[in-house]
Amino acid sequence: GQQLNQSPQSMFIQEGEDVSMNCTSSSIFNTWLWYKQDPGEGPVLLIALYKAGELTSNGRLTAQFGITRKDSFLNISASIPSDVGIYFCAGTLTGGGADGLTFGKGTHLIIQP
Amino acid sequence: SAVISQKPSRDICQRGTSLTIQCQVDSQVTMMFWYRQQPGQSLTLIATANQGSEATYESGFVIDKFPISRPNLTFSTLTVSNMSPEDSSIYLCSGLDNNEQFFGPGTRLTVL
Repeated sequence: GQQLNQSPQSMFIQEGEDVSMNCTSSSIFNTWLWYKQDPGEGPVLLIALYKAGELTSNGRLTAQFGITRKDSFLNISASIPSDVGIYFCAGTLTGGGADGLTFGKGTHLIIQP
Repeated sequence: SAVISQKPSRDICQRGTSLTIQCQVDSQVTMMFWYRQQPGQSLTLIATANQGSEATYESGFVIDKFPISRPNLTFSTLTVSNMSPEDSSIYLCSGLDNNEQFFGPGTRLTVL
């Protein structure tokens, strides 16, 4: 099946630092999404991207849909303690997200005081 | 966005038994999906729950092991049949709302 390679696997940062993580695939995806999962909860959608080259922001979060449609990145600026959690990239092969999602393995973000 | 609830939130079951997990959405959604998330791992799609017809299963998942129902546009169930310890996992449902997938809180299943 399709696979998404997400990196880094974990990040240890200081509060206030910027964060960057990315996902790559050997296949073309038509939709890229970024989720955050807190312990004991389901993933929460942060940003959805539908068009190659699209750059979208949601507060301190910015994500881009790569031009080749095989990659995406998520940036978090000026990290705060509540940013701690696991971030997943996900993609669909069809437009509009009407099929099931393929997930990356996640980036575990840890903020050191 | 749609709000999704699941029941039970967690359960501990004996091997060989079956558990049915319920997923309720607070509004009608066109698509519903079931995922599995093993401890510390990513999410893997089990199947697409189709209203009024058989679910569409991903490679490695079969109907006899994971029967799914979807009687209407707001409700679905997943049954984990003849459980073994390897089925211990978090099971999550999602719904498609405005072209975006939203997830329930998950059902944490432990099989002894």
